[in-house]
Amino acid sequence: NAGVMQNPRHLVRRRGQEARLRCSPMKGHSHVYWYRQLPEEGLKFMVYLQKENIIDESGMPKERFSAEFPKEGPSILRIQQVVRGDSAAYFCASSPDGTSPLHFGNGTRLTVT
Amino acid sequence: DQQVKQNSPSLSVQEGRISILNCDYTNSMFDYFLWYKKYPAEGPTFLISISSIKDKNEDGRFTVFLNKSAKHLSLHIVPSQPGDSAVYFCAASATGTASKLTFGTGTRLQVTL
Repeated sequence: NAGVMQNPRHLVRRRGQEARLRCSPMKGHSHVYWYRQLPEEGLKFMVYLQKENIIDESGMPKERFSAEFPKEGPSILRIQQVVRGDSAAYFCASSPDGTSPLHFGNGTRLTVT
Repeated sequence: DQQVKQNSPSLSVQEGRISILNCDYTNSMFDYFLWYKKYPAEGPTFLISISSIKDKNEDGRFTVFLNKSAKHLSLHIVPSQPGDSAVYFCAASATGTASKLTFGTGTRLQVTL
């Protein structure tokens, strides 16, 4: 029974490039969350999505960041024109119903050079 | 503005003894609390949760205590085992569910032989 799958595990981008992070939720889970962890900090909520809908994006930076969870395929977190401050671990989590404890993936570590 | 605080960055406990991890929060709207454990290079794993209508919840070796008046919760692990060595995150939600969590910065627990 596969858990939450994130890829890539590590991503290196130069300043100004685009980063695409993918997340496949657990089987049967239709609620997806993205969190970001900066060094020496806790995880910070970014966005909550259900299939084809953004439920809550209050934690997303206003510019350069976007997220989607299409009817078919994984959820994508997209960061345009990356800057050094975007370097962090990005975790995806899923839930079957939007209320149960979240199951987290192993994260994507983004490094911006 | 750190709404969930874990003031002890690290804790060392002997195998077999009790580990007590503490967490304080400032937002009185929080009504659901969770503890997650995280190993290096992995995502957080859910341990135990408690609703604000309770003051204690127990699951095997893990017990969470909630003191609403003090805005304080703690996780007790007894007996502690070497495999418990990890970073423990306290998380809180204002939705009554495990959705949209605010995390603390974590406490690194080292269980020694």
